[in-house]
Amino acid sequence: ETGVTQTPRHLVMGMTNKKSLKCEQHLGHNAMYWYKQSAKKPLELMFVYNFKEQTENNSVPSRFSPECPNSSHLFLHLHTLQPEDSALYLCASSSQTSGGTDTQYFGPGTRLTVL
Amino acid sequence: QQPVQSPQAVILREGEDAVINCSSSKALYSVHWYRQKHGEAPVFLMILLKGGEQKGHEKISASFNEKKQQSSLYLTASQLSYSGTYFCGTDAFSGGYNKLIFGAGTRLAVHP
Repeated sequence: ETGVTQTPRHLVMGMTNKKSLKCEQHLGHNAMYWYKQSAKKPLELMFVYNFKEQTENNSVPSRFSPECPNSSHLFLHLHTLQPEDSALYLCASSSQTSGGTDTQYFGPGTRLTVL
Repeated sequence: QQPVQSPQAVILREGEDAVINCSSSKALYSVHWYRQKHGEAPVFLMILLKGGEQKGHEKISASFNEKKQQSSLYLTASQLSYSGTYFCGTDAFSGGYNKLIFGAGTRLAVHP
């Protein structure tokens, strides 16, 4: 497989459930990102990882817990979510260098619905 | 810190032209343009670096004026496939690394 893949593509969960979103990149990049995209809202950056280290947490509630075991995989663990957390969750990766700017490549996203 | 895009939405007939603007309140090093079709992931179009260079891909081109802290995306002789939401992303350094801050997007609809 090439590019950035995300699973599952769709997820429906109750507020008391625990679930995880998975992202995998096959581009040899060292930076990975989680974004939230709600209806009629801009892309909201949630977390950034560079070389497996978290370098950004954009004031995200603790019910979202990221995990980056290596530069190719990124997870987003979800627990006790709220209905307003329903959104499209996008993963992206890039060849991030310190102080540099580089193109981000996005996965297809996970459409999450919280009941 | 979020760049401002204008207009919010554009409706075109096939073959017409459009301009989408992206402006920032702070100095820019680069501007990235993405297009997102409904239900799909954002797809990278082009990146413009400081220096005011203009880039193009087929009938989509962009300019970057770092003095004015803005970039414009030009869609010429629009095709149905151009429909989607266009986002600009501007760089913001944090913790020694760069990240992109995206604008709210411009929805473009091209009709036959």
